[in-house]
Amino acid sequence: GQQVMQIPQYQHVQEGEDFTTYCNSSTTLSNIQWYKQRPGGHPVFLIQLVKSGEVKKQKRLTFQFGEAKKNSSLHITATQTTDVGTYFCAGLTSGTYKYIFGTGTRLKVLA
Amino acid sequence: SAVISQKPSRDICQRGTSLTIQCQVDSQVTMMFWYRQQPGQSLTLIATANQGSEATYESGFVIDKFPISRPNLTFSTLTVSNMSPEDSSIYLCSVDPLGQNEKLFFGSGTQLSVL
Repeated sequence: GQQVMQIPQYQHVQEGEDFTTYCNSSTTLSNIQWYKQRPGGHPVFLIQLVKSGEVKKQKRLTFQFGEAKKNSSLHITATQTTDVGTYFCAGLTSGTYKYIFGTGTRLKVLA
Repeated sequence: SAVISQKPSRDICQRGTSLTIQCQVDSQVTMMFWYRQQPGQSLTLIATANQGSEATYESGFVIDKFPISRPNLTFSTLTVSNMSPEDSSIYLCSVDPLGQNEKLFFGSGTQLSVL
């Protein structure tokens, strides 16, 4: 079945350092979403990417969808302690309505 | 957007018993989803709850173990039946309010521990 893998699984950074998580799907996606889950919380939608090669920015966060629509990345510039949490990508395959969540990357930011 | 009330927020249950989790949405939604998130893991889709018809289960999940009700467009329940310690997990309901695969909203989750 379809698999969506993320690397790294864990990342510890010093506050102010940059952070990137990568998402790779075994199948071509029609779109991809990113969610953030704070410790003890539920996933919260961040963004959706639809077009091949699309890049979107939200303040310090930059999201990219690969040309082949099989991978994506989330880059955070100058991390802050409020960025702590687990970041999940979720891919949607054409013809379905079900998002397959990636394995997640847990980010810890050291002050 | 959608506001989802999920309860209970947590429970500790004995092996062999059943627990019903409720999910109430503040607006009518076509699609409601139930996810399981084991400690430190990703979200796994259990089933899609359809109003007026039987839920659609994913591979590895069966109706006898996880019966779902969807009596109307704002409410759904998931029952975890005949529980074992392996069922200890967080269970999350989720909705796609626009029904256009644009974003999912999640309930706050039910943390279940089975002794």
